[in-house]
Amino acid sequence: EVQLVESGGGLIQPGGSLRLSCAASGFTVSSSYLSWVRQAPGKGLEWVSSIYSSGTTFYADTVKGRFTISRDKSRNTLYLQMSSLRAEDTAVYFCARWHDYWGQGTLVTVSA
Amino acid sequence: DIVLTQTPLSLSVTPGQPASISCRSSQTLLHSDGTTYLYWYLQKPGQSPQLLIYEASKRFSGVPDRFSGSDSGTDFTLKISRVEAEDVGVYYCMQSLQFPLTFGGGTKVEIK
Repeated sequence: EVQLVESGGGLIQPGGSLRLSCAASGFTVSSSYLSWVRQAPGKGLEWVSSIYSSGTTFYADTVKGRFTISRDKSRNTLYLQMSSLRAEDTAVYFCARWHDYWGQGTLVTVSA
Repeated sequence: DIVLTQTPLSLSVTPGQPASISCRSSQTLLHSDGTTYLYWYLQKPGQSPQLLIYEASKRFSGVPDRFSGSDSGTDFTLKISRVEAEDVGVYYCMQSLQFPLTFGGGTKVEIK
C-alpha cells in the first residue's frame, strides 16, 4: 500500500528556515516522480516543486532560489528545504507521488 | 503558464441527480506522445486531494464508475452521473503537460 507521511511543519518567523520531510512506503522514492503542493488557508492548490526519478528538479517561480527539493534513497524520504520564509508561504504542504497518491499534509505558519 | 479556468465555482446537487464541472485550458494539453495531461482531483473536507481521473478520461483505481471525464480540444468535463453524499468537496483540474504545473481554481460541490 502506498503511503506518504509529511512532517516538519510548524511556526517559524519570517526569514527563517524549515525542512519538511515526506516518508514514503509501498514504493521507491528514488524511482518515482514526486511533487510538493501547498494550500494556503481557505485557498486552492498551488504547485511548489517536483523531482523526476532522474533527479531533475523544477520549482515554481514564487519559491525558486529559496526552496530545494531532494530525496534520500536510504530513508525512502522526500524533502523540501525552505529558507527565507515569508508570510505568504503559510500553507499546508502536501507531498505527492505524481499523479496518484498524496500525503495528509503538514502546516507551515510563517509569522512573527 | 497554462491557465485552467473551472466553472462553476460552486454546485448544489440533489442526491441521485447528475453534475458536471468544466475546465477550460488556455492551450492544448495534448502531448506529442498522444497523451492528454489533464487530471481531476477531489478534496473532501479536511482531507488531502484524491485522484479521480487521469489523462483526461481514465478512471483511477477504485473510483466509482459514476465519475467520468471527457475532453474536446481545450475544454474538459468531469461528470458525476448520480451524485451521492460522499461526493461533497472541492474538485480541481490540474495540468502536467508543462511546468509550472497548474490547477484550476476549484469547484465546490455540496448536497441539497
